[in-house]
Order: sequence, then structure tokens, then C-alpha cells
Amino acid sequence: GDSVTQMEGPVTLSEEAFLTINCTYTATGYPSLFWYVQYPGEGLQLLLKATKADDKGSNKGFEATYRKETTSFHLEKGSVQVSDSAVYFCALLKGNAGAQKLVFGQGTRLTINP
Amino acid sequence: IAGITQAPTSQILAAGRRMTLRCTQDMRHNAMYWYRQDLGLGLRLIHYSNTAGTTGKGEVPDGYSVSRANTDDFPLTLASAVPSQTSVYFCASRGLAPQETQYFGPGTRLLVL
Repeated sequence: GDSVTQMEGPVTLSEEAFLTINCTYTATGYPSLFWYVQYPGEGLQLLLKATKADDKGSNKGFEATYRKETTSFHLEKGSVQVSDSAVYFCALLKGNAGAQKLVFGQGTRLTINP
Repeated sequence: IAGITQAPTSQILAAGRRMTLRCTQDMRHNAMYWYRQDLGLGLRLIHYSNTAGTTGKGEVPDGYSVSRANTDDFPLTLASAVPSQTSVYFCASRGLAPQETQYFGPGTRLLVL
């Protein structure tokens, strides 16, 4: 079945470091791909998305490119801030219009130290 | 616009008790979802509803039931709680347009003793 695998955390970086969180997926067809972020004590918020191969999603300095050939959607940021500390979830959208569901990876906890 | 509200925020429940978690959205979204979040397992889908009057089972439906009497409300019921149902529960909703974003509520933290 469809699945998402994220790099294991937790990840701890210093402020202004470069961030990569790996995400690969297994799916039939070409699903839409998402990154969600969960700040402490809150629900999930959409960070960025890509709906077809070679699309690049971007938001708040984060980027991810839909790579069909490697079935990947790695999250990157050039210079992280303390406020980026959160749990990040990669997800794919499966199913037909009107009956679509998200499949999530296990999440990666990111801590940024000043 | 409030988006999605969930109640209660947190609850401690004795095993064997019945509990209903409430979820309400004001975005007139057709589709609604219940997930549980457990450490190391990400979010797992419990039940979903594509439109009022219909429901479906997700990945981990056992021990839970849902109803969808109207568009706005999607309560999740634990008929007889067990400790393994200790988790954080998130409700979500989405419009029907293809690729539309799914929005999440703030969550309910449940401890079953």
C-alpha cells in the first residue's frame, strides 16, 4: 500500500545551519505531496505542497521538490531559526477526488539551538 | 472564522468508561477525518467522512465509532476506553476540490488509566 518514510529524528541543529529532512514515498500513480509542521502544543499546519513531478513547493524559507525518479520530497532550508523548532511530517494524498486521504510519515522532531 | 474546534482540550478517563470527543468546523467542508498521534508512529487515520451521512474506516478503527449527522460536526466515540487508546486525537477537514488542503484542529489529549 501507499506509504511515507521520513528520516528518523530527533534532529538538533544550531541557528543558521542548513537543514535537510529526507522523505521518500511508495505509491501507485503520482500522488500530491505535502509537508506539515506541528509547533509545540498545536495541531498540524500545512507548510508546503507539490502536486506533480518536478514541482517545487516553498514557504517561510523552506523548499521541497517532487522527484518522481527517486520518489522523494526532501525538505530543505538554508538557514534555520530557533522558531523553526517543531515536528515536521511528510505526507501524500491518495484516492480519487471526493474520497482522498492523507498518508503521513512518522514525523521528525527538529530542535534549533541559539 | 474559528476553523476547526475540538473539545475537550484534554481528559483523563478511567478504563471502561465511554467518551465522546467533539469536533466542529465552520468552513462548510465536505470531508472530515479523525487521527490519533502516537510517538514514533506519526498520525494514523481512525475514521473519515466524505460527506454528511457517510462514514468510513481508516487504518485503526477498532474501539472507535463516528457519526456525521450534519456537515459541521463529526464526533468520535470510545465505547469502552482502554489504556492503549491513550493518545492525542486530531480532527481535520477538507473541501472536495482536488488537491485541496486539509486543515487540522488543535487536538484532544486523552489519558486512559
